[in-house]
Amino acid sequence: RKEVEQDPGPFNVPEGATVAFNCTYSNSASQSFFWYRQDCRKEPKLLMSVYSSGNEDGRFTAQLNRASQYISLLIRDSKLSDSATYLCVVLRGSARQLTFGSGTQLTVLP
Amino acid sequence: IAGITQAPTSQILAAGRRMTLRCTQDMRHNAMYWYRQDLGLGLRLIHYSNTAGTTGKGEVPDGYSVSRANTDDFPLTLASAVPSQTSVYFCASSDLTGGNNEQFFGPGTRLTVL
Repeated sequence: RKEVEQDPGPFNVPEGATVAFNCTYSNSASQSFFWYRQDCRKEPKLLMSVYSSGNEDGRFTAQLNRASQYISLLIRDSKLSDSATYLCVVLRGSARQLTFGSGTQLTVLP
Repeated sequence: IAGITQAPTSQILAAGRRMTLRCTQDMRHNAMYWYRQDLGLGLRLIHYSNTAGTTGKGEVPDGYSVSRANTDDFPLTLASAVPSQTSVYFCASSDLTGGNNEQFFGPGTRLTVL
C-alpha cells in the first residue's frame, strides 16, 4: 500500500464548479500535511499547508482528519488557471522528509 | 541566480555512461533533496542532505550518489546509467531551522537513458 494515496482523476469540471480532492495516508506518525500544485512539465509548488482545524486561502479550503488519516482540498468557483495536478504531501520523521502522493489531475473547461 | 537552478534541462544518455545532474540554490537553505518523478508513481526521494557535509538515503537510492561539499550545491551522479533511470529529476531545498517545512523545487532535468 502506498504511504499517501490519491484518486488520480482526471477531474474535468466546468468553470465556476466546486471540486474536491481526497487523500489518505497510512503512517499515523505523520506530522504535517500540505497540498502542492504542479503545472504540466513544471516543478511542484506549495499551494497550502493543512492544519488540524482546517484552513482556507481564498477559494481553496483544506481539511485534515487525523482519526481517519484523511486530507481534503476543496476548490470553489474553479478558474481555467486552476488546471494542474494537485499533490497531497505528508511530513514525517526526524529527518523531516516529505512523502508525495502521485497526484490528482484537474482540468477546468471553459 | 534566483532560487534553485538545475542543469542540464534535458539529456539523452547511452546506458553505461556516467552522468552528473547539477543543482544550485542561492537561498542559503540548509537542506537539499533529489527526487525522481515517474508517471503514476509521483515524486520519490533519492537522496537528501540536511546540512553541508552530510547526506542520507531516501526511498530509491540505488544507482545514485550525492555529495554536499558546500551549502549551495548538491550534485546527483549516476555512475553507470540504466534505462530504468529514465525519469524527470527534481532538486529541492528547504530551511530546516524554521518551523516552515516548505520545499522549493528546481525546474527539473529530463533524462532519457537508451
